[in-house]
Amino acid sequence: EAQVTQNPRYLITVTGKKLTVTCSQNMNHEYMSWYRQDPGLGLRQIYYSMNVEVTDKGDVPEGYKVSRKEKRNFPLILESPSPNQTSLYFCASAPEQGLARETQYFGPGTRLLVL
Amino acid sequence: QKEVEQDPGPLSVPEGAIVSLNCTYSNSAFQYFMWYRQYSRKGPELLMYTYSSGNKEDGRFTAQVDKSSKYISLFIRDSQPSDSATYLCAMSDYKLSFGAGTTVTVRA
Repeated sequence: EAQVTQNPRYLITVTGKKLTVTCSQNMNHEYMSWYRQDPGLGLRQIYYSMNVEVTDKGDVPEGYKVSRKEKRNFPLILESPSPNQTSLYFCASAPEQGLARETQYFGPGTRLLVL
Repeated sequence: QKEVEQDPGPLSVPEGAIVSLNCTYSNSAFQYFMWYRQYSRKGPELLMYTYSSGNKEDGRFTAQVDKSSKYISLFIRDSQPSDSATYLCAMSDYKLSFGAGTTVTVRA
C-alpha cells in the first residue's frame, strides 16, 4: 500500500530533551515536507526537501532540523524542544517536482506535547 | 491579516444537502488552488486542485476559483455522513499557504 508513515504517533516529552520524529514514504517521491498544524493557524510548513541532500526552510523553521540522506526518509529533529512546539506534525511527500506543493500526500500525523 | 482566510464553522447540514465552503485570499500571485479533506485523527487528503480561474468537477465535488474576487469555493452535492470532516483550502505561488479549515458535519 502506497503511504507516508510517521513515528511515533503520540509523544509526550519535557523541555530540552532532544527528540526525532521519523517519516518514511514508499512511493519513490522526490519531494518531502514537514508541517505543523495549530488551531486557528492551519498548516504551516517547517522544512521541505526537493531531493536527497537538498533541504530548505519553510515558514516556521526555528527550533527544528531535518536531513534527507535517503530518498524515502525525512526525519524531523527537535534539538531542544520547548512548550511552544507542542503541536500536531505532518509529514508529506509528492511525486512531481513541478507540482510538488500542489499534490502532496500526507502522513497520519504525530501529536507532540512538550511539558 | 492572514494570506488565506477560511471560516472555521462549524457547519452542520442534513444528509443530501449541498455543502458550500469558501476561502478568500489576499495574494494575487496565487496560481494553484487546492482543497483537502481531513478526517479526525488523520492527515489531510487532497480532493482536487485547479489552476487559475474557472470550475472543476469531480463526482459530487465542484471547485470554483474567481481570481478577480480572490475567492474560491468548494461545493459538495448530495452530502453524506461520510463527508463529515474538516476541509482545508490551500493556494500556491512559489510556496503553499493553507486556510485554517472548516469543520463540516453531515447529519443522517
